[in-house]
Amino acid sequence: KAGVTQTPRYLIKTRGQQVTLSCSPISGHRSVSWYQQTPGQGLQFLFEYFSETQRNKGNFPGRFSGRQFSNSRSEMNVSTLELGDSALYLCASSLISGRRTGELFFGEGSRLTVL
Amino acid sequence: GDSVTQMEGPVTLSEEAFLTINCTYTATGYPSLFWYVQYPGEGLQLLLKATKADDKGSNKGFEATYRKETTSFHLEKGSVQVSDSAVYFCAPYQGGKLIFGQGTELSVKP
Repeated sequence: KAGVTQTPRYLIKTRGQQVTLSCSPISGHRSVSWYQQTPGQGLQFLFEYFSETQRNKGNFPGRFSGRQFSNSRSEMNVSTLELGDSALYLCASSLISGRRTGELFFGEGSRLTVL
Repeated sequence: GDSVTQMEGPVTLSEEAFLTINCTYTATGYPSLFWYVQYPGEGLQLLLKATKADDKGSNKGFEATYRKETTSFHLEKGSVQVSDSAVYFCAPYQGGKLIFGQGTELSVKP
């Protein structure tokens, strides 16, 4: 069974640009969450999507947005990039058969460098 | 707000040594508790979990017990291996999201 796939794995952007990251969850998983990992702030929750609806959002500015498609694939977008947006962005999926749990399956991440 | 405090790393041990990584948290109610592990160059993997007080999660020789009284979830392993070298994250699940500690880097030397 294929794991969570994130693309691209590495990318370099300059300040002011925008970026779109993609995440394909494990087949059958309906929930997708995004986390940002930086050396200074650690792992921080960005948002969670389920059935194409954002269910939960972390404390990030409006430049960070996301969406989920009918096949459960998800994208996140960061506009007007700042140096501080350099991070590893991790996507995680879960099944959600009933009660929500913290059992997440993570991808390897997309490493964004902003110059 | 909710937060997690983990033992600071890096922790360096010799193979077969005993491991403890402390974790305490503040949260509303009694959240499910998790330990995730991140091997070099990889994403996070679920190591173990506990969903209620006094539950003991275990996997791959690692154990952690949900201590409601002390709001702690310390990770232990009786005999570490070089392959256990990784960063370990404690995380309660609260409000529909995992709240991660800062991570503890473990390095095991042969």
